[in-house]
Amino acid sequence: GENVEQHPSTLSVQEGDSAVIKCTYSDSASNYFPWYKQELGKRPQLIIDIRSNVGEKKDQRIAVTLNKTAKHFSLHITETQPEDSAVYFCAAIYGNNRLAFGKGNQVVVIP
Amino acid sequence: DTAVSQTPKYLVTQMGNDKSIKCEQNLGHDTMYWYKQDSKKFLKIMFSYNNKELIINETVPNRFSPKSPDKAHLNLHINSLELGDSAVYFCASSRGTVGAFFGQGTRLTVV
Repeated sequence: GENVEQHPSTLSVQEGDSAVIKCTYSDSASNYFPWYKQELGKRPQLIIDIRSNVGEKKDQRIAVTLNKTAKHFSLHITETQPEDSAVYFCAAIYGNNRLAFGKGNQVVVIP
Repeated sequence: DTAVSQTPKYLVTQMGNDKSIKCEQNLGHDTMYWYKQDSKKFLKIMFSYNNKELIINETVPNRFSPKSPDKAHLNLHINSLELGDSAVYFCASSRGTVGAFFGQGTRLTVV
């Protein structure tokens, strides 16, 4: 099937610590995996993405890693700050450009 | 300049009514989507259009009818609204296999 699984559902971290969210995808996913951040009452916003020809990509305090063998990809947020508190969605693109989302992780950064 | 804009932002209506939500993108993207986000924050794809052609039509009641007059617009018409239709509806657009950009959402409340 075409689905993306995302765990854990809620993640609480102390300010300054790191947060990691992991997703797994099914076989038929294409080679593109974006991550979205959704703050309360706002739209999901693309924050970082990765293609399957690379294993890791970084952008300041966020990074994404991809393990094609295990079919999982992870979002890493370092030196977390209160403004990182949000729901984070992983996604994968399937046939017909179907962008399928995981169920989301609530990240709470405790000051 | 809003890249993906949808109107209205809020919609409160009675059961049985018919309503429309409009979406426009000025990014020159070739694919547009409608997503439904329920109270649990799940982002579920409803429809996808590529160059005005319907390419994804999930298991959505036929009371929901999308219309794409041109590549920059994808409207959603809902007939005979039900309580369970209450949710936030997001329009999004993308170019090829690249992550989508979302509109600000329409919070639909059916009373």
